[in-house]
Amino acid sequence: DGGITQSPKYLFRKEGQNVTLSCEQNLNHDAMYWYRQDPGQGLRLIYYSQIVNDFQKGDIAEGYSVSREKKESFPLTVTSAQKNPTAFYLCASGGNEKLFFGSGTQLSVL
Amino acid sequence: QKEVEQDPGPLSVPEGAIVSLNCTYSNSAFQYFMWYRQYSRKGPELLMYTYSSGNKEDGRFTAQVDKSSKYISLFIRDSQPSDSATYLCAMMDTGRRALTFGSGTRLQVQP
Repeated sequence: DGGITQSPKYLFRKEGQNVTLSCEQNLNHDAMYWYRQDPGQGLRLIYYSQIVNDFQKGDIAEGYSVSREKKESFPLTVTSAQKNPTAFYLCASGGNEKLFFGSGTQLSVL
Repeated sequence: QKEVEQDPGPLSVPEGAIVSLNCTYSNSAFQYFMWYRQYSRKGPELLMYTYSSGNKEDGRFTAQVDKSSKYISLFIRDSQPSDSATYLCAMMDTGRRALTFGSGTRLQVQP
């Protein structure tokens, strides 16, 4: 069953804690992306990776970090430096200009 | 000013109506134009994809791109209650190769 798997579906972060969101794809796509969505707003680009072991900052990278050690995986860490982390996080992958999205992770602050 | 502007709605129409959704943009480097549909708290799904200017039709959906006016549209014919969702326009330039999204228009189709 091909697709993009994000986990967990819901995540809670305590003050000062780092948390990691998982994204795995079996579509054999080279490019992977992380977007953040706030209520009533569109998607804003956090980080993206066009190839393994390489990634670029998006428009709102501060307080986030990523790694791309495998083609299939692109985990996102929300660090304690991100002061307003509550949002819906979406991972995507693409082989050309078309992006396909996972089902998202809702992150909330305790 | 945002690179991509989209009216947030909500837009409420009766079942069977023709729906028109629009976005304007300022970056002339955008070459690829897409429309996504997003149901509440789900991942967006790709509806339409267009390269450069022109029209594209797929069933009840028609996408139009006018690069000279920096304006794109999505038309939905014979709208159904199941079309109720948020519609997001998205664009990509050949340099960055990442999508820039509009803020989304919430559509409600009343039975």
